[in-house]
Amino acid sequence: DTEVTQTPKHLVMGMTNKKSLKCEQHMGHRAMYWYKQKAKKPPELMFVYSYEKLSINESVPSRFSPECPNSSLLNLHLHALQPEDSALYLCASSPRGTSSSYNEQFFGPGTRLTVL
Amino acid sequence: QQPVQSPQAVILREGEDAVINCSSSKALYSVHWYRQKHGEAPVFLMILLKGGEQKGHEKISASFNEKKQQSSLYLTASQLSYSGTYFCGTEDDGGYNKLIFGAGTRLAVHP
Repeated sequence: DTEVTQTPKHLVMGMTNKKSLKCEQHMGHRAMYWYKQKAKKPPELMFVYSYEKLSINESVPSRFSPECPNSSLLNLHLHALQPEDSALYLCASSPRGTSSSYNEQFFGPGTRLTVL
Repeated sequence: QQPVQSPQAVILREGEDAVINCSSSKALYSVHWYRQKHGEAPVFLMILLKGGEQKGHEKISASFNEKKQQSSLYLTASQLSYSGTYFCGTEDDGGYNKLIFGAGTRLAVHP
């Protein structure tokens, strides 16, 4: 399996809802990432997990809560979001937990999130 | 700090060449290049490491000037499938997998 999968593809939620985004890879990669992408903008790094431990949190509001239950799975729990959080949420993975050599990132198709 | 990409947009006819540039104000460990088509995920094209190593697709070439913290992506004999937005991503020395993307270069290839 050489791809990163994300579910759901689309999600509409109200500001009081709690929802979760799921990301999975079976390539044995040791780093996983969450990015947020607004229209016509580059992906913006949110979180990095290396060897299943949170290594980078780019000052993301606490209404976004990441979780890495195992080396293949990454979740993003959402609670009390704001309309400005509407965006494409991309998950990615890379072979190495640290940047000791080539560590290209493989992106999933993303979850299109709309917050009403 | 976000790397600076240029140009912002390029329009080509099939078969023409293009160069996309990426520069950073910080010492870099690696430069990544990705292409994103509308409504799709970014796709890996190239990675260039400090020290000269690089890895990527056969039909695409790139360079990395470590002293100037600059990278260029060379698209030769462009095809319609090359259309999309190209992002460079830079990782600082000791960046620990922290990739910061440039604003992107929109490339349109016409018949």
